[in-house]
This record gives sequence, structure tokens and C-alpha cells, in this order.
Amino acid sequence: SQQGEEDPQALSIQEGENATMNCSYKTSINNLQWYRQNSGRGLVHLILIRSNEREKHSGRLRVTLDTSKKSSSLLITASRAADTASYFCATHGANSKLTFGKGITLSVRP
Amino acid sequence: EAGVVQSPRYKIIEKKQPVAFWCNPISGHNTLYWYLQNLGQGPELLIRYENEEAVDDSQLPKDRFSAERLKGVDSTLKIQPAELGDSAVYLCASSSTPDRGHLFFGPGTRLTVL
Repeated sequence: SQQGEEDPQALSIQEGENATMNCSYKTSINNLQWYRQNSGRGLVHLILIRSNEREKHSGRLRVTLDTSKKSSSLLITASRAADTASYFCATHGANSKLTFGKGITLSVRP
Repeated sequence: EAGVVQSPRYKIIEKKQPVAFWCNPISGHNTLYWYLQNLGQGPELLIRYENEEAVDDSQLPKDRFSAERLKGVDSTLKIQPAELGDSAVYLCASSSTPDRGHLFFGPGTRLTVL
């Protein structure tokens, strides 16, 4: 079963533009995490935001969390062609289980 | 620091044959996970180990799948017999803080069942 639902399913932008990806979930969480997966590779952890945090930054990444709406967003600023990948949100629940969404395919055109 | 190692990277077998995947987690990581990823989907947990104990195997199809983590380090996931629907990528991951931390993933094993 997959708790997180990302939106949109696919996103295509021009290099230099910002990319915003959203994730909604259903049950209470300890934290929410975002991962990136390049084609044919394993997942790489990008950023983790705890349930008592509202916003977090890491380099060109900004993630927000709204626990009242059970939603999160990941913003990638000044996108590059190398950002082309699939992005997954994952929720860490009270049962210590990390559950992934179906992912968003981001294409950044040079 | 070496990452999570998986082998083989690719495996092609005929249905009803057995297959095994191997994973060596990052040194010192007590928690090990096996995930299944179908094409265009997110990873789905098969089994989670704390040291050598399987603490969550509720999603493992136990009629044909088995896993072990002897000595609490490397792990093997086996399918016997394989079915066409088992074609997928099998990902291994490890972490040092099981209840709240993030995971380190290996490159995965892409299984094709003919």
C-alpha cells in the first residue's frame, strides 16, 4: 500500500525555472522525506522534515509541511538538466514504516 | 564510505526457476530493508530487519519469497519458484536510526522472468 500521493505525475520545465512538486498523505506521521531516483539507479535521500517543522532548506531545495492539511511540497529552484529524475515522497509513520508514493517524473529541458 | 552493495545488477530467468539476490548494507547500519519496485511505481516494503531479526515481513509473499540476514550484516532474498509477475527491481536499503532516520539505497537488482 502507498500512502503518499504526489502531484503532478509528470512535470516538464525549462532549465532555470523552479519546479514545485506536491505530496499528500492520509495518516499521522513522524516525518516526511523526499527522495530522487535517476533512471536505472537506486533512490537517493534529499531532505527530511519532521512533523513539528513547517519548512526546511537544503541548497536549492525547499520543503514545506502542513500537518493540518496532510500535505508537503518540494521546491527546486533554478533547475538544471541534471535535476531530471523521478522524485518520491515517503512518510514515516508511528509503526516505523517508511511508505513511498508513486513518484513524479521531472524533465528539465536544456 | 562504501554504499549499499547489491548483486547481481541484472538477472534473467525462466518462470518456475529459483533466484536469489544479495545485499551488503553500509557498515554499522543495523536496519536493513528489501523493497520491490514495479515500473512507474514507488518502492514497496517487503521486509525489514533489525540486526538479524525480521521485525516487519507482513508484505512478504511467504509462499514463494524468503529472506535471511545471518549474523545481522548481509542479507539474501530468494524467490522460489519465480512467476512472470515477479519481474521488477528489488531494492535493498539500510539505515542507522530505524525509527526516524532516512534510508540509503543500493542500485537494485532488475529481475526479468520469461
